[in-house]
Amino acid sequence: GAVVSQHPSRVICKSGTSVKIECRSLDFQATTMFWYRQFPKKSLMLMATSNEGSKATYEQGVEKDKFLINHASLTLSTLTVTSAHPEDSSFYICSASGGVSRGYEQYFGPGTRLTVT
Amino acid sequence: RKEVEQDPGPFNVPEGATVAFNCTYSNSASQSFFWYRQDCRKEPKLLMSVYSSGNEDGRFTAQLNRASQYISLLIRDSKLSDSATYLCVVDGYNKLIFGAGTRLAVHP
Repeated sequence: GAVVSQHPSRVICKSGTSVKIECRSLDFQATTMFWYRQFPKKSLMLMATSNEGSKATYEQGVEKDKFLINHASLTLSTLTVTSAHPEDSSFYICSASGGVSRGYEQYFGPGTRLTVT
Repeated sequence: RKEVEQDPGPFNVPEGATVAFNCTYSNSASQSFFWYRQDCRKEPKLLMSVYSSGNEDGRFTAQLNRASQYISLLIRDSKLSDSATYLCVVDGYNKLIFGAGTRLAVHP
C-alpha cells in the first residue's frame, strides 16, 4: 500500500498558541487529502477535504478560520490549529487519495495526537 | 439517526471463537462499503472492501445486504491479534463516513 506520513506524531501546546500538522504522501501524488478528527471512543469525523491548488471544503460545523488547511503541492497538505484551546485536544488524522489512478482508495497517515493545556 | 451505526461492544471472546459484527447505514445511494481495523491510538487500516456478492479473505467474511442497508463482518477462529476496534465505513458523496466502531477483545 501507499505510504502517508504525518508530523509531528504528538504535540503538547499551551492554550492560545497555534499548531501546524503536516501530511505527506511519500510515494504517490495525492490529488485529494482529507483531514479527520477523532475524540476518544468516537468515530473519525471528517473535518475538510482539500484538493491540490484549491481551497479546502469544510464540513458543517468546522470553523475554517480556526482550522487552516493548505494543500500547496501534490504531496503535502498542512492543517494549522489556530489559537488552540483544551477542547481542540484530539487525534488528528489525514488521508490521501491518488484519485482514479489508485481506485480512489484513501491511505491514512499515522495520526497526530494534540494536547492543549 | 446516525449515518453509520455499529454496536460499540466490547465483544469479549476466547481464542478460536467465531464472532460477527453488524453495521447499518442510512444513505441508500451509497455504493462502496469497507471494514477498517483500528488499534488503540493508531490510524485505521483497511481490512477489506465489501462487495454485493459477499467476499472472503482468509478467516474474514464480509456481507452486504442493500435492501436492509446493513453490512456484516464475520471473523472465524479468532486470534489474540484480532483484538482491535472494527470500523464500518460507507462512502457518501465522495467522502468516507465512519461508524464509531465495535471493540473486540480476544482472550486466551
